[in-house]
Amino acid sequence: EPEVTQTPSHQVTQMGQEVILRCVPISNHLYFYWYRQILGQKVEFLVSFYNNEISEKSEIFDDQFSVERPDGSNFTLKIRSTKLEDSAMYFCASIAFGIQTQYFGPGTRLLVL
Amino acid sequence: KNQVEQSPQSLIILEGKNCTLQCNYTVSPFSNLRWYKQDTGRGPVSLTIMTFSENTKSNGRYTATLDADTKQSSLHITASQLSDSASYICVVDDMRFGAGTRLTVKP
Repeated sequence: EPEVTQTPSHQVTQMGQEVILRCVPISNHLYFYWYRQILGQKVEFLVSFYNNEISEKSEIFDDQFSVERPDGSNFTLKIRSTKLEDSAMYFCASIAFGIQTQYFGPGTRLLVL
Repeated sequence: KNQVEQSPQSLIILEGKNCTLQCNYTVSPFSNLRWYKQDTGRGPVSLTIMTFSENTKSNGRYTATLDADTKQSSLHITASQLSDSASYICVVDDMRFGAGTRLTVKP
């Protein structure tokens, strides 16, 4: 069965550094998402992306965050200057179209020191 | 204020028993409501999807219901298995997540 993949699985970075989290959504999917989950807390929506532009974003998704689909397969989340509170598991997800099954990736665990 | 509230926070049941998890939401209007299963440290896995006009949706031993009048949804798990031990999350419109119910199934 097709799956969403994410790299790296773990990343440790220093506060203030830039990080790029990578995702390969399921091919032929059209809607892409980033979520985060701080340890022990609920999943939080960051941003949704469709037709090469952001369709929705949360208040968490401030100027420090950006997303990009640089080619036909990758979908990236960039955090420009990481803060301690950015430490979390970051999940990418995709949907083919409409109200269909949303598939999540395995996540990238980000630790900011 | 969280717009999606789940109860109970945690639940322990014996293998083979049934259980029902609750989700109350204040989001209105909304497009869809989803239930996910999340194992610790893993990404959520979709169980059911309902649009605002649907009342019930089944997926094997999982049955979700939706009452748009009372703004409540439930997830019923039949004949529980040890592998059902996980967190179950209710999500409205792909953006508003409940905190989940932590289910533990004991032998």
